[in-house]
Amino acid sequence: SQQGEEDPQALSIQEGENATMNCSYKTSINNLQWYRQNSGRGLVHLILIRSNEREKHSGRLRVTLDTSKKSSSLLITASRAADTASYFCATDDNTGKLIFGQGTTLQVKP
Amino acid sequence: EAQVTQNPRYLITVTGKKLTVTCSQNMNHEYMSWYRQDPGLGLRQIYYSMNVEVTDKGDVPEGYKVSRKEKRNFPLILESPSPNQTSLYFCASSEDRGEQETQYFGPGTRLLVL
Repeated sequence: SQQGEEDPQALSIQEGENATMNCSYKTSINNLQWYRQNSGRGLVHLILIRSNEREKHSGRLRVTLDTSKKSSSLLITASRAADTASYFCATDDNTGKLIFGQGTTLQVKP
Repeated sequence: EAQVTQNPRYLITVTGKKLTVTCSQNMNHEYMSWYRQDPGLGLRQIYYSMNVEVTDKGDVPEGYKVSRKEKRNFPLILESPSPNQTSLYFCASSEDRGEQETQYFGPGTRLLVL
């Protein structure tokens, strides 16, 4: 079963704008991770936020986590054309599984 | 260079012909996993392994087998492939399944079963 559901499924913005993607999940988690995937290639880990954290930053990335709402958001500030990719959230409930959402496809137009 | 490798990268086969997709990591990671990625379904875990000789089913294990005889290798075996196993497959590894661990992904294997 799918744990993470992402919204929107697709997002198109202009270079320089901010991009926000949301992820909702169903069960309690230990941590939530965001990954990036360029077309047809392997996933690359971006950031991990633990269940006792509410916000985390890494460069132009900002991730928030609201465990009461079982949701997370990924904000990419000052987007660049090179940010064009699919972004996935994944939840770790410490059962040995990492469950991925369906992903948000981001297109950044130059 | 630390990496996860998969072979082959592309494979076309016919229904019922056994195949193996290899996965190898050079980071001495304990945890390894296989995923399949399908349009509209995201990534779904097939099997995972916590360590040598320890494997467990993920969300979609039907039609697949795995083995973990060595720490670095985690092959995915399709005994009798069917067209619904046409997909993009990813192997991943991490140091362990502790809370802090992130996964490193291979480049993917695109499989077409006719």
